[in-house]
Amino acid sequence: GESVGLHLPTLSVQEGDNSIINCAYSNSASDYFIWYKQESGKGPQFIIDIRSNMDKRQGQRVTVLLNKTVKHLSLQIAATQPGDSAVYFCAEKTLGGNEKLTFGTGTRLTIIP
Amino acid sequence: DVKVTQSSRYLVKRTGEKVFLECVQDMDHENMFWYRQDPGLGLRLIYFSYDVKMKEKGDIPEGYSVSREKKERFSLILESASTNQTSMYLCASRPLGGEPYNEQFFGPGTRLTVL
Repeated sequence: GESVGLHLPTLSVQEGDNSIINCAYSNSASDYFIWYKQESGKGPQFIIDIRSNMDKRQGQRVTVLLNKTVKHLSLQIAATQPGDSAVYFCAEKTLGGNEKLTFGTGTRLTIIP
Repeated sequence: DVKVTQSSRYLVKRTGEKVFLECVQDMDHENMFWYRQDPGLGLRLIYFSYDVKMKEKGDIPEGYSVSREKKERFSLILESASTNQTSMYLCASRPLGGEPYNEQFFGPGTRLTVL
C-alpha cells in the first residue's frame, strides 16, 4: 500500500548548524505534505505544509522542499537551537476525501550543545 | 490558544477490561481524531469524527469504537482491552475549513498499558 516514510530515524546536529530532515513518500496523488514536531511529553505540533504544486515553502527558520520527480520531501531548520530537539514527522493528505493525514514514522533530532 | 485535553496521562488496565479514553477540545472544532502512536510506526489513525454522532473508520479501527455525543467531546472505547493495545493514544481536533488546511491540534496523549 501507499506509505510515507523517513530515510533516517535519528539525526544529531551541532547547535547553530542547519538541520535537514528527509522524508520519502510513495503516493504520487498526495495533494499536501505536512511537517509536525513532537517534543517529549507533548502531542505533535504543526510546523509547515506545502501543496504538491509547489517546490519550496518557507516559514520562520524552516524551509520545506518538495521534489516530485523522486518523491522526496525535506525540512530544513536554520540555525538549530536546543528547543528544536524533538521527533519530526512528515505526513501527507489527499483532497477530495476526508481530513485524514497519513504520518511517517518520525526522525528524532538531537541538538548537540 | 486551542486546547485539547485528554482525561489521563497514564492509564494501566487489565486484559478484558472496558477502557474509556476521553478527549475534550475548547475551540468548537468540527473534526476530531484518535490516533495511536507506537515506536517505529508513527501515528496511525483509529477513528475520526466530522460532526456530532458522525464517525468514520481510520486505518486501524479493529478492537476500538468511538462516541461523539457532544461537539467538544470525542471518546475512544476499548471494548475488551488486549495487551497489543498497549500504546500512546493521541487525540486531535481541527476546524472545518480554514487555513492552514492541514493543522490538527493535538492533546498531550494518554499512555495506556494493558497487563
